[in-house]
Amino acid sequence: AAGVIQSPRHLIKEKRETATLKCYPIPRHDTVYWYQQGPGQDPQFLISFYEKMQSDKGSIPDRFSAQQFSDYHSELNMSSLELGDSALYFCASQRGQFLYGYTFGSGTRLTVV
Amino acid sequence: SQQGEEDPQALSIQEGENATMNCSYKTSINNLQWYRQNSGRGLVHLILIRSNEREKHSGRLRVTLDTSKKSSSLLITASRAADTASYFCATAPAGGTSYGKLTFGQGTILTVHP
Repeated sequence: AAGVIQSPRHLIKEKRETATLKCYPIPRHDTVYWYQQGPGQDPQFLISFYEKMQSDKGSIPDRFSAQQFSDYHSELNMSSLELGDSALYFCASQRGQFLYGYTFGSGTRLTVV
Repeated sequence: SQQGEEDPQALSIQEGENATMNCSYKTSINNLQWYRQNSGRGLVHLILIRSNEREKHSGRLRVTLDTSKKSSSLLITASRAADTASYFCATAPAGGTSYGKLTFGQGTILTVHP
């Protein structure tokens, strides 16, 4: 069965550079969530999209932006990277917004050096 | 502090034993979910229990929910070495614009020794 695909799996960037993370949800899933998980931390909600519109926003820095495209894939753009941005970034998808467990991708491990 | 707080933070048991993890939360929820995460990997959805349910089973997993105490427990019976992972509870809020958003607890690291 198709899963949530995230790319790249690993990314190394220098401080002040930009990074773009991509997420391809399960077919027919119209909701995408982005989470950030620091080392030894629980996942923290960043932002979500439903039917290509931003549906909720969490603790996402102003340096980050995201969007969902017409094919429902989503991209998280991160600028002026800081060392503290090093984390696992997970995307999850869901059909609708209600009452079901998410399906998470395997994540993108971002390391800022 | 975190919406979902779990205890214990770490649990070490022998194969065949049962493992119980607890989760507490603060606000009204629509449902509570448990996820498993192997080291540095993605989160795998295990089970979802709705706010009007008290207990749910899935294979060797048993989840309870006490909304009056705002707490949940995850029981893994007859544990196996392959169950070694971090386990997170996550709550979905009751209504509002954040309907689908999950708030995760800090997780319990379970180690099952062969």
